[in-house]
Order: sequence, then C-alpha cells, then structure tokens
Amino acid sequence: GENVEQHPSTLSVQEGDSAVIKCTYSDSASNYFPWYKQELGKRPQLIIDIRSNVGEKKDQRIAVTLNKTAKHFSLHITETQPEDSAVYFCAAKVLGGGADGLTFGKGTHLIIQP
Amino acid sequence: EAQVTQNPRYLITVTGKKLTVTCSQNMNHEYMSWYRQDPGLGLRQIYYSMNVEVTDKGDVPEGYKVSRKEKRNFPLILESPSPNQTSLYFCASSWADEQYFGPGTRLTVT
Repeated sequence: GENVEQHPSTLSVQEGDSAVIKCTYSDSASNYFPWYKQELGKRPQLIIDIRSNVGEKKDQRIAVTLNKTAKHFSLHITETQPEDSAVYFCAAKVLGGGADGLTFGKGTHLIIQP
Repeated sequence: EAQVTQNPRYLITVTGKKLTVTCSQNMNHEYMSWYRQDPGLGLRQIYYSMNVEVTDKGDVPEGYKVSRKEKRNFPLILESPSPNQTSLYFCASSWADEQYFGPGTRLTVT
C-alpha cells in the first residue's frame, strides 16, 4: 500500500518568514495530493490540493509543488501569520482507485514565533 | 448546512464494555471512512465504505467493526474496547476527492 513520509515533525519560523513542509510518497499510481490543516482541538480541514497533471498550484499565501518523478510534494506558506500555527498533514491517494481513503503523513506542527 | 456529525464527542468507558460511535453525513456522499489520530502517528484509516453494504479494512482495523446499512450513516463499533483504543476518532465522507471530517470523538478506555 501507499506510504507517506512527512518532514519536519516540528517547524518553528518567525512571523513573516516562509515555511516549507515536505512529503514523499511510495505508490507511483497516486495522483491526488491534499494538504490538511488542523488547529488545536479542531477537525482537519483541506487547505489546498494538487493533482498529478500539474506541477504547482497557488492560493494566496499557500502553494503546493509536485515532483512526480521524485515522488515528492511540498507545501509552501509565505508571509506567515500567527493564525498559521497548526498541525499540517499531507496525504496521497489514487483517485478512482478501489480504496477511497487517504494515506496521511504523520503531521508537522508549525509554530509561528511573534 | 453540509456537514458530518459524530456522537458522542467525548466518551470515557471501561475495558470490555461495548460501544458505538455514530457518524452521519448529509451530503449524499458515497464514500465514508473512519480514522484514528494518535500523537506522533498522524491519521490512520480504520475502515472505509465505498457505498451501502460495501465496507473494507483500512490500515488498523483490529478491534473495530463498522456497518453501512444506509448511505448517510457509518457507525463504528468497538465490541470489547481495550486501553490501546484510547484515541481521537474522526469520521469522514467524500464524493471524489476532498474528504470532509466530522468534529471528532475523544475516547478513553480505562
């Protein structure tokens, strides 16, 4: 089955700086890569996703890049703000595959220092 | 309002006492899943269902059962809970890609 590795487990950045979280996946058939943000005590919520037919996607201060050859994808947050503090999870799946569930990375705790 | 609901939100129980955590979605999604979240381990899939009466094991199914008798409901059953099932549980539903998560159920088994 799919295996998703996520690094780092904790990331501390100064407010206003950029943050980058990286994930690798093992199943070359995976073609959908979402990122979820989970604030303390809350449910995970989708913040951005990318499909394997594109290499990059941006939404205001967040962007995701995908390298299919190397089987890795990254989340980039620019101009970080205190409300960006949360745990971020990457995930991978095969859209339309038999198993619908996502395989998640173990999460990155992002801390924004004032 | 489109949503996934879970009940109860918090539960403290004792070893061996059967319990059920309910999950319901109002988005007419075919796919539903259960995950458990543990510190340092992320979200791990317990069971999933691709449609009514169709369920299958995820990565950590031991000690759990599910059923999908109707499209909107996907209860998680612990026949004989043990302390290692103390965790935060999330139900999720999806149509094709984005998974919508319920608010979570924090279960403690003593």
